[in-house]
Amino acid sequence: QIVLTQSPAIMSASLGERVTMTCTASSSVSSSYLHWYQQKPGSSPKLWIYSTSNLASGVPARFSGSGSGTSYSLTISSMEAEDAATYYCHQYHRSPPTFGAGTKLELK
Amino acid sequence: QVQLKESGPGLVAPSQSLSITCTVSGFSLTSYGVHWVRQPPGKGLEWLVVIWSDGSTTYNSALKSRLSISKDNSKSQVFLKMNSLQTDDTAMYYCARQGDLYYFDYWGQGTTLTVSS
Repeated sequence: QIVLTQSPAIMSASLGERVTMTCTASSSVSSSYLHWYQQKPGSSPKLWIYSTSNLASGVPARFSGSGSGTSYSLTISSMEAEDAATYYCHQYHRSPPTFGAGTKLELK
Repeated sequence: QVQLKESGPGLVAPSQSLSITCTVSGFSLTSYGVHWVRQPPGKGLEWLVVIWSDGSTTYNSALKSRLSISKDNSKSQVFLKMNSLQTDDTAMYYCARQGDLYYFDYWGQGTTLTVSS
């Protein structure tokens, strides 16, 4: 199965700071099938970015995604308090679908 | 609007089995696949199984011997059965709808399963 490694595991950012987190796949993943979810404590995951760079409905434009092959990233152009959450990458290029272990983003 | 809602027993003793139901609304099970994903306390997401719109299934190979998925299209319900439960099966269990490009676009609120004597 394809293993997704997210880094860092935990990070903190100040309001207005630019944030970047990465997701590295153990083998190449089509960008169409690499997705990101946001999860806050006590809530279910929410689709956040699909197919590498497409924002899900309602996701603020300060979020962006990029990447190809085995290397993908999620960027927040200017950190806001509501962005504090855990972000998971997810691939369904090949079954079984797998998730990264998550990056927990905290407000500094 | 699209909604998924899980329901389950909450607490189960080790070695027992359980059934969890996902009741959906706002879409038809004959048009969309539904997945089960679990999350142990404080940990990440683990995919379990999918039932496709045509009723075919794909299982996580590591759990295949203990899992069974089925559905009732007329009742808009998906059923997950798991046997030989152990304490490390304690987790939040989510059902999620599959979107066009194999993302999970809608998730239920989850149902907590605790395996304990």
